Amino acid sequence: QKEVEQDPGPLSVPEGAIVSLNCTYSNSAFQYFMWYRQYSRKGPELLMYTYSSGNKEDGRFTAQVDKSSKYISLFIRDSQPSDSATYLCASNTNAGKSTFGDGTTLTVKP
Amino acid sequence: NAGVTQTPKFQVLKTGQSMTLQCAQDMNHNSMYWYRQDPGMGLRLIYYSASEGTTDKGEVPNGYNVSRLNKREFSLRLESAAPSQTSVYFCASIETDSYNEQFFGPGTRLTVL
Repeated sequence: QKEVEQDPGPLSVPEGAIVSLNCTYSNSAFQYFMWYRQYSRKGPELLMYTYSSGNKEDGRFTAQVDKSSKYISLFIRDSQPSDSATYLCASNTNAGKSTFGDGTTLTVKP
Repeated sequence: NAGVTQTPKFQVLKTGQSMTLQCAQDMNHNSMYWYRQDPGMGLRLIYYSASEGTTDKGEVPNGYNVSRLNKREFSLRLESAAPSQTSVYFCASIETDSYNEQFFGPGTRLTVL
């Protein structure tokens, strides 16, 4: 079993929709939870970063971590065509070396 | 700052040929990583270097070697390329292992025929 499992997608939504991207993890030692965004033919870039459980909001993006259920979510409000990308969740312990999910490809249609 | 740079951007090899992928970062980061990304398989860690002078195997090290030439540069070598090594290779760096934002390069698209 992979340590980080991500809903595979692909996901296609109309512009303005609320998007929910989800991952689960199995390693109880994970404390840091990240979401990376990767545009086509580019390297991933960090979008959101959360330590332990709770919510973090940044504009239209909200990252949510529930350590009791080992569940990681990213919500995108008022989705835009420019949000079309692959989203990768990642987790790690205090000792570095992130473990990545396989990614979910999102398309937002105008 | 250029961030993380990788060369070449594209490469086609024949089975059995060798090549070195180059990576450099100008952010004075201590840790550097090499990943491969295949369709539907996310990012898999090949090798990493926690600091200058140290390297360690990741999840999929077979068929690869690395050199941490100095603090800035971390190269990945394929000694005898195989079709199974066709992939997109990403280099990344991080300030230290305790700070979790990895900065990625633009990738090298490698095809082995």
